[in-house]
Amino acid sequence: DVQLVESGGGLIQPGGSLRLSCAASGFSFSRYWMSWVRQAPGKGLEWVASIKQDGSEKEHADSVKGRFTISRDNGKNSLYLQMNSLSAEDTAVYYCSSGAYEIDRWGQGTLVIVSS
Amino acid sequence: QLVLTQSPSASASLGASVKLTCTLSSGHSSYAIAWHQQQPEKGPRYLMKVNSDGSHDKGDGIPDRFSGSSSGAERYLTISSLQSEDEADYYCQTWGTGIRVFGGGTKLTVL
Repeated sequence: DVQLVESGGGLIQPGGSLRLSCAASGFSFSRYWMSWVRQAPGKGLEWVASIKQDGSEKEHADSVKGRFTISRDNGKNSLYLQMNSLSAEDTAVYYCSSGAYEIDRWGQGTLVIVSS
Repeated sequence: QLVLTQSPSASASLGASVKLTCTLSSGHSSYAIAWHQQQPEKGPRYLMKVNSDGSHDKGDGIPDRFSGSSSGAERYLTISSLQSEDEADYYCQTWGTGIRVFGGGTKLTVL
């Protein structure tokens, strides 16, 4: 079974940092572009960042550029999102996903709440 | 600017069919899109990719009741023989150089 399992979410104060992880199984992780997508409470889906199979290309949405960094470890079948300078607007469920262009697999998400 | 536009809501009766629309912004009518379903309190699920020529490739396990089509800048998701579990939010998604874009989503109510 294909599985994408996110972890690392929680309550964090404004200005703080958090690192999300995604453990992938059931498919050849190293052959796929991977992405993070988020969803604020009651809102739609928002693309956050994507990374190429070997990590040589990274793309970030303007809303997170300079604050968030996507990375991966193919040896551990894992995807990461380092989030710095967090603000209330970053409160959302963060989903790990796969696919170079169309997203074709989704995790169940991890909730990040930025609040004092 | 690459933008996807969806109607906020749609409704149809149990057992009927419904056609959801996703419209690509001007200058992007040749782009393919993907459809995703998000049932209440769940993560999204990939349904299919729809190309500009109307061909579509469905994800694993997606029932035949779900199909895709295209006309100009519009991409469609048709759900036939509606079931209660089809009540969900439906998002279209596309991609450009260095970006991925989502539509605002359509909330489908099954009456």
